[in-house]
Amino acid sequence: DAGITQSPRHKVTETGTPVTLRCHQTENHRYMYWYRQDPGHGLRLIHYSYGVKDTDKGEVSDGYSVSRSKTEDFLLTLESATSSQTSVYFCAISSGGGYNEQFFGPGTRLTVL
Amino acid sequence: GQNIDQPTEMTATEGAIVQINCTYQTSGFNGLFWYQQHAGEAPTFLSYNVLDGLEEKGRFSSFLSRSKGYSYLLLKELQMKDSASYLCAVRDPSNQFYFGTGTSLTVIP
Repeated sequence: DAGITQSPRHKVTETGTPVTLRCHQTENHRYMYWYRQDPGHGLRLIHYSYGVKDTDKGEVSDGYSVSRSKTEDFLLTLESATSSQTSVYFCAISSGGGYNEQFFGPGTRLTVL
Repeated sequence: GQNIDQPTEMTATEGAIVQINCTYQTSGFNGLFWYQQHAGEAPTFLSYNVLDGLEEKGRFSSFLSRSKGYSYLLLKELQMKDSASYLCAVRDPSNQFYFGTGTSLTVIP
């Protein structure tokens, strides 16, 4: 299995509070991604990174920010959590191109009350 | 924009063959991927196609037609453990992946 972990695995928080999710990899892969998965919507890209300090927005980036100061860590921050951000969040990594698929972390279940 | 369609649900019998279709319309293409996701777990990679044709991998095969924007995943000799969601994803030239909503497959005895 690819070395990719997410923390925390579960979190319950209140509306209006900031939340940071962490993704950590030991594979030295260049690309890192944050997705959310909701019933009826599948996996939707929030932000992704193509190198240290290089990030770009995905299709559902409003209300989220990211940072990547080291190759191995990719942080997702919900600046002021809302109930619509209740979801399962997956981090993924890829070395990019060719046969190189994405490997997914175990996911974080976030509940915003 | 990106549009990837696959059926929402399918049911098949243990030991049978099932085909899960995926159609896509994307602004760029650099490969099509199939993932399996069991309930409560992360997606795991099944197959990859970048050229037209069939790729076979044990009980799983995947087909791609780039001109038609079409792929299918073929599962043979179905087992109960194959009950899962199957996700079709397209990678674009910037290494972004776009996923369909997934097909929930139920295998019945």
